[in-house]
Amino acid sequence: LAKITQPISMDSYEGQEVNITCSHNNIATNDYITWYQQFPSQGPRFIIQGYKTKVTNEVASLFIPADRKSSTLSLPRVSLSDTAVYYCLVGRNAGNMLTFGGGTRLMVKP
Amino acid sequence: DSGVTQTPKHLITATGQRVTLRCSPRSGDLSVYWYQQSLDQGLQFLIQYYNGEERAKGNILERFSAQQFPDLHSELNLSSLELGDSALYFCASSVAYGGSGSNEKLFFGSGTQLSVL
Repeated sequence: LAKITQPISMDSYEGQEVNITCSHNNIATNDYITWYQQFPSQGPRFIIQGYKTKVTNEVASLFIPADRKSSTLSLPRVSLSDTAVYYCLVGRNAGNMLTFGGGTRLMVKP
Repeated sequence: DSGVTQTPKHLITATGQRVTLRCSPRSGDLSVYWYQQSLDQGLQFLIQYYNGEERAKGNILERFSAQQFPDLHSELNLSSLELGDSALYFCASSVAYGGSGSNEKLFFGSGTQLSVL
C-alpha cells in the first residue's frame, strides 16, 4: 500500500514549465500512477496515467523512474487556468478504497 | 463533459431531513464511487459499487446509505441530516473493477451541493 507524499502547494508564473513530484516509496508491483486535476467546486478531472518510463498526452507528461518510487507530473507552459489542485493516486489503501490525499495546490501568477 | 450525470446540482434542506442524490455513470462504466468534499477539505471516499455489488466502503456514516441499481445508476441517501453534512457530494464512474493492478480512471460528475440549514 503506497504512502503518497506530494508538496502541499507550489507557485509558478505563466509560461513556465511546472513539475510536481509525488513520492510513493512502497508502490506495489501492479500499481499504476494516476494524476487528477481539480478546480474549485468541480469534480476532479483525469489528467494522465502511467506505469513506467514516460507518458505524454496533449495536457501533460508523466515521468516515472525505473524504481517507480516517485513520479513527476510535468505541465508545459502553464497558464492562469492551470491554477488548481493536483492529486497523485497510487493503488488503493488498506480498506481497498481509492483515496485522494491532500494534493498539491498550484497557483499560477501572471 | 465527463459523461457522468448528477442530480440535483443544488439541494437546500433543513436539519433532520432526508435527501437522495442521484448519479448516472458514463455509458459502459460498471463502477460507481461516491465522495464527500466539505469546504476547503479533501475528497473523502464514501463507497464504491461495481455492477450492483458493494466493492469498497469508507467511513460512511450509518445515516448514509447507497445502492447501485440494475441499470447501473446509483443513489446516495442521507438521512437525519446535520449541519456538518453540508458539502459537495461527487459521484464518479469507471469501467474497471478496481484493485491491485487496476489501471482504473475515474470520471467525475459535477457534484451535488448540499446545504443543510
